[in-house]
Amino acid sequence: AQSVSQHNHHVILSEAASLELGCNYSYGGTVNLFWYVQYPGQHLQLLLKYFSGDPLVKGIKGFEAEFIKSKFSFNLRKPSVQWSDTAEYFCAVNPKGTYKYIFGTGTRLKVLA
Amino acid sequence: DAEITQSPRHKITETGRQVTLACHQTWNHNNMFWYRQDLGHGLRLIHYSYGVQDTNKGEVSDGYSVSRSNTEDLPLTLESAASSQTSVYFCASSKSGTESYEQYFGPGTRLTVT
Repeated sequence: AQSVSQHNHHVILSEAASLELGCNYSYGGTVNLFWYVQYPGQHLQLLLKYFSGDPLVKGIKGFEAEFIKSKFSFNLRKPSVQWSDTAEYFCAVNPKGTYKYIFGTGTRLKVLA
Repeated sequence: DAEITQSPRHKITETGRQVTLACHQTWNHNNMFWYRQDLGHGLRLIHYSYGVQDTNKGEVSDGYSVSRSNTEDLPLTLESAASSQTSVYFCASSKSGTESYEQYFGPGTRLTVT
């Protein structure tokens, strides 16, 4: 079955620390990949996306992600987090040829000021 | 500006009642989706539609139904609400074609079934 794993369920960091959130998926075909962020009390917003080409993609607010096809991974990174990055982060996989997403279970990030 | 709205934003209902959650988008997107968000499960797909008169079941469709009579709206109906359906419900939309599969999300509806 298709699935997306986010192994870090809760992450607590101090401001200026570096962030890496893991995302692994199981699907044999070609995929589009997304990271969404949900700030407290708000709806999901797109952070970044990968469709093809350069496997290192940059998104908003200094976030980036790297697609490693051989590892079925799409990890999210930020060199220096801010208190305002406190949110829940979701990885999503879209099998090409469909419009559906498969979401991971999410990672709750808390950044301490 | 185009947007996607949901109503009501909060709803408390009793077990066994029928409940309808509204979703309206002005993006003119063909594709619309309903998810529920639960702690430890992330977002799970309930139903989706790729156009008017098209509806499809997602992974957690039991007890839910949708109808698509126009491009803008995809109401979600809980036929007989159960406590297990207490959740936050998100509607999303995306356009068809090969350029973008980005989904745009509504603000969510928090449903409590007592």
